[in-house]
Amino acid sequence: QVTLKESGPGILQPSQTLSLTCTFSGFSLSTYGMGVGWIRQPSGKGLEWLANIWWDDDKYYNPSLKNRLTISKDTSNNQEFLKITNVDTADTATYYCARIARSGWFVYWGQGTLVTVSS
Amino acid sequence: DVQMTQSPYNLAASPGESVSINCKASKSINKYLAWYQQKPGKANKLLIYDGSTLQSGIPSRFSGSGSGTDFTLTIRSLEPEDFGLYYCQQHNEYPPTFGGGTKLELK
Repeated sequence: QVTLKESGPGILQPSQTLSLTCTFSGFSLSTYGMGVGWIRQPSGKGLEWLANIWWDDDKYYNPSLKNRLTISKDTSNNQEFLKITNVDTADTATYYCARIARSGWFVYWGQGTLVTVSS
Repeated sequence: DVQMTQSPYNLAASPGESVSINCKASKSINKYLAWYQQKPGKANKLLIYDGSTLQSGIPSRFSGSGSGTDFTLTIRSLEPEDFGLYYCQQHNEYPPTFGGGTKLELK
């Protein structure tokens, strides 16, 4: 059974760095073809893809945020991480991690973690 | 980026009815479209990928069709658990992009 669970700071101030963790089970990110991604959703709005990381450490970022994003993984602990630098109120959203199929759809999702950026 | 436009924004229906949700891409995405269901307090659920392939475990009352720029999700004989938000997503190219969502409500 595949599960994913996001964790984050809950609230942080503008200009800080947001650090998110995705802890998963039921698969390994060292297995050929496996990938995990991040998607976010401001309250009442649509979904925005942020970044993907693959079993071979290949990484893809949303060009609109690329300079602010860093994705990484810890395969031994079944975790994946996303950092977003210099946050502002527009980064307030629920952040989801999801396992990706090789052809790019999101097969399994976590329930999301709400992040609020406020001074 | 490929822009995805969903319609309608809201849809009201009764159990037992059939409904269709549309998704239009700003350029051809071949067959590479996925559909998801979103419900409060639950993980988003993949319904369909590659335009028409039903994800394992999803009831056959869900179906997807289309290619190129125009796609449709059809739900036959609505069940009470089908009410919620639905999103399309193109997986033809980076960055993957989502439609704005369709809210399926109980009439």
